[in-house]
Amino acid sequence: DIQMTQSPSSLSASVGDRVTITCRASQGISNYLAWFQQKPGKAPKSLIYGASSLQSGVPSKFSGSGSGTDFTLTISSLQPEDFATYYCQQHDTYPLTFGGGTKVEMK
Amino acid sequence: EVQLVESGGGLVQPGGSLRLSCATSGFTFSDHYMDWVRQAPGKGLEWVGRTRNKANSYSTEYAASVKGRFTVSRDDSKNSLYLQMNSLEIEDTAVYYCARSSTAMSRWYFDLWGRGTLVTVSS
Repeated sequence: DIQMTQSPSSLSASVGDRVTITCRASQGISNYLAWFQQKPGKAPKSLIYGASSLQSGVPSKFSGSGSGTDFTLTISSLQPEDFATYYCQQHDTYPLTFGGGTKVEMK
Repeated sequence: EVQLVESGGGLVQPGGSLRLSCATSGFTFSDHYMDWVRQAPGKGLEWVGRTRNKANSYSTEYAASVKGRFTVSRDDSKNSLYLQMNSLEIEDTAVYYCARSSTAMSRWYFDLWGRGTLVTVSS
């Protein structure tokens, strides 16, 4: 199975900050990497697929990059609604696997 | 409105069975792969299983943790997805999400999620 490792597991940031989350795959997955946002008690929301393609309706403050084994999710200017947990997921090979999550908290 | 609505969760004893349903609307259900993803209390996301579309023979894939116990199926005439869960274990306690998958670049990716239904396995 492909292991997905996110870092950091949590971070504290302020409104307006630029935030970057890293995801590393245990083997190459080309650009088959997705990102999700989840708020407490809510379903995940799809943000990005194919490492850098924005899902419909997702604001452009979110961006993704990377290929192979190393990927990043960047939030250009953190807003109050962005405090949440973010997960990466590889959609290259079965079983589909998720990273452990990065909780973005208010500083 | 595009939506996925899960139902069928509840309390079940270890070794018991439960069938989850996911009713969909607002899109062409038959075109999409459909998945189940679960989340144990306070934990991260875990993919459970997938059914492909008719064009791909409705074939299925499963996580090792549920293979042989869970069955993913679909009824395109009812725009619905199902998860039959047998031989349930305490470790299967989780919120179960239905997720739609769409395709790009020869791979399928989750793009829409339901609100989830809670399954509790306990004696």
